[in-house]
Amino acid sequence: DQQVKQNSPSLSVQEGRISILNCDYTNSMFDYFLWYKKYPAEGPTFLISISSIKDKNEDGRFTVFLNKSAKHLSLHIVPSQPGDSAVYFCAASSNTGNQFYFGTGTSLTVIP
Amino acid sequence: EAGVAQSPRYKIIEKRQSVAFWCNPISGHATLYWYQQILGQGPKLLIQFQNNGVVDDSQLPKDRFSAERLKGVDSTLKIQPAKLEDSAVYLCASSEGNYNEQFFGPGTRLTVL
Repeated sequence: DQQVKQNSPSLSVQEGRISILNCDYTNSMFDYFLWYKKYPAEGPTFLISISSIKDKNEDGRFTVFLNKSAKHLSLHIVPSQPGDSAVYFCAASSNTGNQFYFGTGTSLTVIP
Repeated sequence: EAGVAQSPRYKIIEKRQSVAFWCNPISGHATLYWYQQILGQGPKLLIQFQNNGVVDDSQLPKDRFSAERLKGVDSTLKIQPAKLEDSAVYLCASSEGNYNEQFFGPGTRLTVL
């Protein structure tokens, strides 16, 4: 049972434009969400997180939006750069549990 | 600060053989995780340690997989015997506590023939 879903396996964006990566979850107990970025042959690296008490968190070019009623979060990258080309995973957890559940990932390609 | 170390980086074995992976977490990190990532899927938690105790191993196929973290520092994950469907990248991660950002190692890519 996939509790965290990323329905777009891939996304291509022109350099300088906005990249929007989406993630949906089914478990209403999830209250902490993270985005990880993964380059080939490397482990995932933490990018940005958001707690359910917020609906937006911003860090430089990266902004995560959380819509709890829709059980949906999105990652916005503005402006997109070729170095942002990677696979992006969203993950979710609840403070009553220990584990993080990962989505299947979205492969972002930023075209120069 | 040194990151999470894993070895080997790649391993090719035949089905029914045994294999072991090693992980050394970031110094001072109490929590250690082993994930299995099958091609095209997200990482799936196999086992989570808090110091040298198991917190969650509900998704570990215990008939063939085992893991230990005897001194609360480094850890080994073993598969015995391996099956074709075990082909995946095995990721180790560590964090300061249970609810903190996880830092991942580079992973071990296992191919079972």
